[in-house]
Amino acid sequence: AQSVSQHNHHVILSEAASLELGCNYSYGGTVNLFWYVQYPGQHLQLLLKYFSGDPLVKGIKGFEAEFIKSKFSFNLRKPSVQWSDTAEYFCAVSSYNQGGKLIFGQGTELSVKP
Amino acid sequence: EAGVTQFPSHSVIEKGQTVTLRCDPISGHDNLYWYRRVMGKEIKFLLHFVKESKQDESGMPNNRFLAERTGGTYSTLKVQPAELEDSGVYFCASSQNIGTYEQYFGPGTRLTVT
Repeated sequence: AQSVSQHNHHVILSEAASLELGCNYSYGGTVNLFWYVQYPGQHLQLLLKYFSGDPLVKGIKGFEAEFIKSKFSFNLRKPSVQWSDTAEYFCAVSSYNQGGKLIFGQGTELSVKP
Repeated sequence: EAGVTQFPSHSVIEKGQTVTLRCDPISGHDNLYWYRRVMGKEIKFLLHFVKESKQDESGMPNNRFLAERTGGTYSTLKVQPAELEDSGVYFCASSQNIGTYEQYFGPGTRLTVT
């Protein structure tokens, strides 16, 4: 069965610090990878996604993620966080032959201190 | 373009009562997914509709949960009778087709069973 593991449950950073959130998945076949974000009081929204091609993908708001197939990882990075990045971040995987349903990690709550 | 909407935003019911949650997907989106997040845990898949047909209901917890999508438009998720462990946030998401993979999420319904 597919599973997703996010390394950190709660991360606290100061503004301008660099961010890296870990995500590992377990699945033997071809997967699609996502990072979703939920800002306080808002809907879950897509930050970025990887389907194929360049393993380094860029998303909205300066976020990027790198797919490393050999490590089954899809870590999220941002070189310099802002207070407005305070949110909960979810890594997720899906596969076409499972109807596209998303398997989520536990979520990482990011708090950025101004 | 209107996003995914869910009603109600919050429901508080007593154990043994019935609750019906509603989801209106983005117009034209054939794929509709239900997910649930129990407090402190990951977001978990419940089921997937393609138009009015249940494509995958492997995540439904038990037969107290009944989902419908009559006419392939909005969907309802009924819990009858509700138990304490059903408390959580129920998310609905829709996508145009499986190939595009991106799912757009609604704001969620927070269900509290007392």
